[in-house]
Amino acid sequence: AQKITQTQPGMFVQEKEAVTLDCTYDTSDQSYGLFWYKQPSSGEMIFLIYQGSYDEQNATEGRYSLNFQKARKSANLVISASQLGDSAMYFCAMRVPKDTGRRALTFGSGTRLQVQP
Amino acid sequence: DAGVIQSPRHEVTEMGQEVTLRCKPISGHDYLFWYRQTMMRGLELLIYFNNNVPIDDSGMPEDRFSAKMPNASFSTLKIQPSEPRDSAVYFCASKEGNTIYFGEGSWLTVV
Repeated sequence: AQKITQTQPGMFVQEKEAVTLDCTYDTSDQSYGLFWYKQPSSGEMIFLIYQGSYDEQNATEGRYSLNFQKARKSANLVISASQLGDSAMYFCAMRVPKDTGRRALTFGSGTRLQVQP
Repeated sequence: DAGVIQSPRHEVTEMGQEVTLRCKPISGHDYLFWYRQTMMRGLELLIYFNNNVPIDDSGMPEDRFSAKMPNASFSTLKIQPSEPRDSAVYFCASKEGNTIYFGEGSWLTVV
């Protein structure tokens, strides 16, 4: 079974600083995808970034980067130059590989980030 | 691109009533997912469809829940009869390539 662990229930960061949100995963499969989503207080789930298990480079999307360490099974999200609008819940998720027939995401419990002015 | 569209955004209903949640996936996406989010259990997959066919409904909590996808542009999640413990945010999502896009959610309160 696949499992995602986010050990930080809450994080604080000062505006303009960088912050790392931790995510570890557990799977016996070799092919998988890792995702980060942002959920602001309004409730919608916003896709941020994706990393494939075979991708050699760490994924980046603007101020978001994914620190992928395959041997350690970690996929931490790094947000650079934090903004007040980054305050939200952040979810790490994993998609199981296609050969199992499942294409859905398994989510971690989330980390609530608060950016302070 | 309009994104995944869900309705209603908010619904308050009495216990025992039937609830129908609706979803329009992004055009061209061949996978559709229904998730439920609660404080206690986080985000849980309920069911997902591939090309309108239900593939995995093992997350559907019980027989009171049913989901259909009559065509590529529409899906429903029905709860009958509803119970207070069904109160949650229900998300619909659709998939293109490696990315799954979520709707804004339907906030359901059963009193």
